[in-house]
Amino acid sequence: QKEVEQDPGPLSVPEGAIVSLNCTYSNSAFQYFMWYRQYSRKGPELLMYTYSSGNKEDGRFTAQVDKSSKYISLFIRDSQPSDSATYLCAMSVNSGYSTLTFGKGTMLLVSP
Amino acid sequence: EAGVAQSPRYKIIEKRQSVAFWCNPISGHATLYWYQQILGQGPKLLIQFQNNGVVDDSQLPKDRFSAERLKGVDSTLKIQPAKLEDSAVYLCASSHTRGNTEAFFGQGTRLTVV
Repeated sequence: QKEVEQDPGPLSVPEGAIVSLNCTYSNSAFQYFMWYRQYSRKGPELLMYTYSSGNKEDGRFTAQVDKSSKYISLFIRDSQPSDSATYLCAMSVNSGYSTLTFGKGTMLLVSP
Repeated sequence: EAGVAQSPRYKIIEKRQSVAFWCNPISGHATLYWYQQILGQGPKLLIQFQNNGVVDDSQLPKDRFSAERLKGVDSTLKIQPAKLEDSAVYLCASSHTRGNTEAFFGQGTRLTVV
């Protein structure tokens, strides 16, 4: 079993839809959870950062962490074609951004 | 503020050849990371530097991969000899300090080994 599991997609939705992206993990020591967005032929860029369980909202994006279920989610409201990218979940045991373990990424396609 | 610079953007080599990648982090960033991203996979950390010292190289295949960060600024990652399975995007990232500060990624170097 991989440490972090993420459905690679692609996930195709129409513009304006609510998108739900998810990851499961096996290492209960993970405390820091992140979502990165990666456009084609670009490096990943940080979208959301969450420590431990709970919700965090930033504009159209909401990140949820359920440590009891070892399950994290990213919701995108009012999706736009510019949201089309690969979304990577990442997590770490210590000190936030150190030694990140990434999921495979989910490719999202938002059609106009 | 300039981002993380990497070169070359693309490289094609034959197996058993050697190759080197270069990274210039964001000015003032003490921590530098090299990640390997194989097609369809998430990035995997190869090595982490704090200034010019190695913090974590547990996943670096040391029989063929080497990295250095002279003077705590630029870094080079070398593969010698390359194998077909080394085909990947090599991403460099930097952060201001270790731990709880965001890491910014460069665009990566896409390596194809034929």
